[in-house]
Amino acid sequence: GAGVSQSPSNKVTEKGKDVELRCDPISGHTALYWYRQRLGQGLEFLIYFQGNSAPDKSGLPSDRFSAERTGESVSTLTIQRTQQEDSAVYLCASSLVAVGEQYFGPGTRLTVT
Amino acid sequence: EDQVTQSPEALRLQEGESSSLNCSYTVSGLRGLSWYRQDPGKGPEFLFTLYSAGEEKEKERLKATLTKKESFLHITAPKPEDSATYLCAATSGGSYIPTFGRGTSLIVHP
Repeated sequence: GAGVSQSPSNKVTEKGKDVELRCDPISGHTALYWYRQRLGQGLEFLIYFQGNSAPDKSGLPSDRFSAERTGESVSTLTIQRTQQEDSAVYLCASSLVAVGEQYFGPGTRLTVT
Repeated sequence: EDQVTQSPEALRLQEGESSSLNCSYTVSGLRGLSWYRQDPGKGPEFLFTLYSAGEEKEKERLKATLTKKESFLHITAPKPEDSATYLCAATSGGSYIPTFGRGTSLIVHP
């Protein structure tokens, strides 16, 4: 079956521009997670959705970051006024239930110039 | 604060040379400890979740074990295709958010 997909796969943007990253989870997966992975680093938690609600936004680094999920399906992570330190791979994962095994997408590589 | 530490950071093995990767964790009431494999340029791929001390799970040449303080990923007679970064993640009781370690980069030479 179809796995988690993310788009775009690569995004190069200028400092100060806004970007939107998209995640299509596995159908029926109620839990959805966004992570950031900087080169050589572990996964940094950003936000967790259960259904369309986000009970935990504690990982969002600043108010420039926001995310939403609609229809208990697709999720969008928006970064406003991008900074060079935002350059990283942004990974999305979904799971059937919270604390279940997570299925990751291939990630979006964001480069801010 | 939950912490997960993986060692070594990097490991080079010859094909067939068995070894173990370590994941030490400090969480409040472990809910689950998961292992993932990550190939370059790809998202992590789920391998195992262990829930209680003493539990073991196996998949092909990999076996994961769990104690109250750490987990080991044992690799028996590795092959070059086992080369990847292996991540572990611990979730504390009452939380839905796993804390990931920084990973062990494994290279298996033919």
